[in-house]
Amino acid sequence: QLLQSGAEVKKPGESLRISCKGSGYIFPNYWIAWVRQMPGKGLEWMGIIYAGDSDTIYSPSFEGQVTISVDKSINTAYLQWTNLKASDTGIYYCARHPNGLDVWGQGTTVTVSS
Amino acid sequence: DIVMTQSPDSLAVSLGETITINCKSSQSVLYSSDNKNYLAWYQQKPGQPPKLLIHWASTRESGVPDRFSGSGSGTDFILTISSLQAEDVAVYFCQQYDSPPHTFGQGTRLEIK
Repeated sequence: QLLQSGAEVKKPGESLRISCKGSGYIFPNYWIAWVRQMPGKGLEWMGIIYAGDSDTIYSPSFEGQVTISVDKSINTAYLQWTNLKASDTGIYYCARHPNGLDVWGQGTTVTVSS
Repeated sequence: DIVMTQSPDSLAVSLGETITINCKSSQSVLYSSDNKNYLAWYQQKPGQPPKLLIHWASTRESGVPDRFSGSGSGTDFILTISSLQAEDVAVYFCQQYDSPPHTFGQGTRLEIK
């Protein structure tokens, strides 16, 4: 399973890192993707990281806006912002990618509001 | 980026009916080296993360009822749900994972009449 960190409420301009901890499988052998879902909207693929070697691919829509990282020693992937905006409000999911996204975290709700 | 377009955006049907959801990609997601279509279907119920139903366009995930089936190749794909049940009310998404970014369709909302 993938267990994500809890909900966050932040102000514009603040920094944030959310986490996604894998268990029950060999974490370094899989890619982990991050997916955003804005309130009442669809799914947006943000990027993906290979947990074994940290090889990372970003969607052009999110490159430079977020940082995806992993610490395979503790089976945890991260999604980080350094300058949050109100438009970053949404639910963020991590998901394991073998062929499609077969295991999903429960989601982390991020609210950015002044 | 590959653009994924689903149709319809929503539909309302009666229990027991059969429905189809279409998904069209702006370029082929058939990988010639392995002859596989890099296309997945997901079901998302309110307040839950999405659930993978089908990968490789037509391979059902373990535990997914055989009422759900996927078909198509290249750029045109279909998700079929037969004998619709109340628990099938959800939003359905297609996703291509052939070429990053692994884009999703906009979703199709399924409701019961």
